[in-house]
Amino acid sequence: GAVVSQHPSWVICKSGTSVKIECRSLDFQATTMFWYRQFPKQSLMLMATSNEGSKATYEQGVEKDKFLINHASLTLSTLTVTSAHPEDSSFYICSAKSGRRGTDTQYFGPGTRLTVL
Amino acid sequence: AQSVTQPDIHITVSEGASLELRCNYSYGATPYLFWYVQSPGQGLQLLLKYFSGDTLVQGIKGFEAEFKRSQSSFNLRKPSVHWSDAAEYFCAVALNQAGTALIFGKGTTLSVSS
Repeated sequence: GAVVSQHPSWVICKSGTSVKIECRSLDFQATTMFWYRQFPKQSLMLMATSNEGSKATYEQGVEKDKFLINHASLTLSTLTVTSAHPEDSSFYICSAKSGRRGTDTQYFGPGTRLTVL
Repeated sequence: AQSVTQPDIHITVSEGASLELRCNYSYGATPYLFWYVQSPGQGLQLLLKYFSGDTLVQGIKGFEAEFKRSQSSFNLRKPSVHWSDAAEYFCAVALNQAGTALIFGKGTTLSVSS
């Protein structure tokens, strides 16, 4: 089956620093990748949708200058949390969708736990 | 606006007993419905999905779900729960088949007692 990896699986950083999270589709080409944020005991909230080679589309209320998304290749998307603050601490999850027509399943990564001190 | 409601935050079921997790959606057109399971340290795993056709959908791990348009529901069922089924379950709706991102419910935590 399709596998999506995320790196790192957890990260602790100081307030004011930037953190980059990678999302990779290991055995398929992902024309579309999604980034979600999950708070404890809460649902996943979509942050942005990224298509390979184009700018990401951000959901309302998500600061595009704070959460930088790059989808430079068909197998890699990155989320950079810039000038992180404690309120950015959360579980970040990516998903990837194959570009094949009629393929609608999103495959999820295992998530990255970010803790900002 | 589109939304997904999972009325039960936490359910405890005895091992071997049957299970039903409720999901209601609000969406004007034909929804594309999904059930995912999330175990600690694991990514979300797709259990099953409904796009069209037979309203009773079979999934992995012995799960099934039934789409009831009149009730705007897509409840997940399993006839006999195993201890390994303890996890967080999310119902989700996609707005179209082209892959627009999913809208998730808040999840139901399933505990299995022996």
